Amino acid sequence: NAGVTQTPKFRILKIGQSMTLQCTQDMNHNYMYWYRQDPGMGLKLIYYSVGAGITDKGEVPNGYNVSRSTTEDFPLRLELAAPSQTSVYFCASSFGTSGDITGELFFGEGSRLTVL
Amino acid sequence: TQLLEQSPQFLSIQEGENLTVYCNSSSVFSSLQWYRQEPGEGPVLLVTVVTGGEVKKLKRLTFQFGDARKDSSLHITAAQPGDTGLYLCAAPPGAGSYQLTFGKGTKLSVIP
Repeated sequence: NAGVTQTPKFRILKIGQSMTLQCTQDMNHNYMYWYRQDPGMGLKLIYYSVGAGITDKGEVPNGYNVSRSTTEDFPLRLELAAPSQTSVYFCASSFGTSGDITGELFFGEGSRLTVL
Repeated sequence: TQLLEQSPQFLSIQEGENLTVYCNSSSVFSSLQWYRQEPGEGPVLLVTVVTGGEVKKLKRLTFQFGDARKDSSLHITAAQPGDTGLYLCAAPPGAGSYQLTFGKGTKLSVIP
């Protein structure tokens, strides 16, 4: 089973360029998430989705956009890249929640982005 | 926004030693998860704790949820080099939340 697949694994962008990080999952999970991880800062939630056609902002959404046209795919769009967006980006999915208990998050291997 | 504070931030120990890492907050959690992240990979779930005072064991790893559900600890017995990684605690920021808030993590190095 592939689980959560992210592409590309590495990318270097120039300031002002745009790009899309791709994420797809084959577990039929309703919930999907994008996190960024900076050294010593843990994981910060950018955007999340509870199902196809539904997205919502997380803690650090500025400079990013997402869409969820299918259950499987949850791409993250960076418009006008800035050095502050240099980070490792993780896509994750989960089956959902049961009451107050968040289900297990399954993460991709990450996409390392450098903006110069 | 609740804050999850993890300590220590870094820990370097010799193979065979025991260690404990902590995850604390001033907020009450409905549940709490522990993940381990190895270099170049995404985090992987180790355990979810739900009930105050709960203790869960995973081989040499023992997880405890505080009685008041505000804190948690992870104890590793006889650490091995394979335990090396970043240990992250995570919890939903509020009742019925779809999100997880993560602590900054404890980076563990186990030296052979």
